[in-house]
Amino acid sequence: GAGVSQSPSNKVTEKGKDVELRCDPISGHTALYWYRQRLGQGLEFLIYFQGNSAPDKSGLPSDRFSAERTGESVSTLTIQRTQQEDSAVYLCASSTSGGRYEQYFGPGTRLTVT
Amino acid sequence: SQQGEEDPQALSIQEGENATMNCSYKTSINNLQWYRQNSGRGLVHLILIRSNEREKHSGRLRVTLDTSKKSSSLLITASRAADTASYFCATGASGTYKYIFGTGTRLKVLA
Repeated sequence: GAGVSQSPSNKVTEKGKDVELRCDPISGHTALYWYRQRLGQGLEFLIYFQGNSAPDKSGLPSDRFSAERTGESVSTLTIQRTQQEDSAVYLCASSTSGGRYEQYFGPGTRLTVT
Repeated sequence: SQQGEEDPQALSIQEGENATMNCSYKTSINNLQWYRQNSGRGLVHLILIRSNEREKHSGRLRVTLDTSKKSSSLLITASRAADTASYFCATGASGTYKYIFGTGTRLKVLA
């Protein structure tokens, strides 16, 4: 079946602009995660969605970052007033249930802020 | 700071040799997972070990977990050039659903 997909694969934006990144999880997966990975670094947890429960936003680095998910479907990560330090690969993962099962990762969106 | 820390940061071995990498963490966990990342295929799940398990095998992979020492190791036996990648541990902390990834070990297998 289809895996996790993300769009766009690459995004170049000017400092100060807003960007929206999209994630399509595997159908039926109730848990969805967003991570950020800077060049040569590990993954930083950003936010977690589980079904219709309130999301865990504890990893969002500032109020410029927000994310939404409608039910158990698509999620969007929005970064407002982008800064150069936001440049990174943003990875989305889904899982059958949070915290206990493997995560399936999308290919990521490479964001470059100029 | 990152929950998991991998050691070593980088490892270079000859094809056919075994590779061992370690992960240390700080708090109680539900489970620990290992992932591989290479430029061509993104992040791929390798193995999950639960907090009540001590050892797990999958093909050429062997994972151990010592909860008293808050550490895990990943052993890749009879390495191949295709094993060249970065390897990350991810810890699922007790009482939460989020995972914290370590800094990774960059493995290079020379043909």
